[in-house]
Amino acid sequence: KAGVTQTPRYLIKTRGQQVTLSCSPISGHRSVSWYQQTPGQGLQFLFEYFSETQRNKGNFPGRFSGRQFSNSRSEMNVSTLELGDSALYLCASSLARAGRGDEQFFGPGTRLTVL
Amino acid sequence: GESVGLHLPTLSVQEGDNSIINCAYSNSASDYFIWYKQESGKGPQFIIDIRSNMDKRQGQRVTVLLNKTVKHLSLQIAATQPGDSAVYFCAENREGGSEKLVFGKGTKLTVNP
Repeated sequence: KAGVTQTPRYLIKTRGQQVTLSCSPISGHRSVSWYQQTPGQGLQFLFEYFSETQRNKGNFPGRFSGRQFSNSRSEMNVSTLELGDSALYLCASSLARAGRGDEQFFGPGTRLTVL
Repeated sequence: GESVGLHLPTLSVQEGDNSIINCAYSNSASDYFIWYKQESGKGPQFIIDIRSNMDKRQGQRVTVLLNKTVKHLSLQIAATQPGDSAVYFCAENREGGSEKLVFGKGTKLTVNP
């Protein structure tokens, strides 16, 4: 079956703009988690959605938001972009409980560059 | 605070040797741990996991060891192959708390032919 897909794969934006990233989980998976990956901070958890509800949130400012649709597809939005938002944004899906034995499958990520 | 760190940022081994990648965690309440492998240009890939009621778990060519006394986790790769070259992350999670995974910063493994 198809893996986790993320679009777009690469994105260049300027400071102050906003961006929306999309993630399609593996068919049947209901949990979608988002992570930010940078060389300095590594992989940091942004948020997790399950059945269209945000179930958990990391320590990121309110400029970072997300949502999940009824088909489990998820989007994350970053408003008022800053240079420090340049990163690889990873989406991961799992059947139900991310991090509790349900294996998370990661997508290839969206590389965001903020100029 | 909650954090997962790694002892070494890079590790270089010869093909055929065994590799050991280490991870230290600080949250004694963590009870579930995962190792991921990330190849260049790809997302992390699950390798193996272990719960805190175990101290060892084996997979195909990989073994994870958990020492709760010193809060240390290790990943052993037997007969390392060039295809094992990647960045390896450990991640932790704890029951009853948030269900997010806390990742270490990663160790880059290079396998020399």
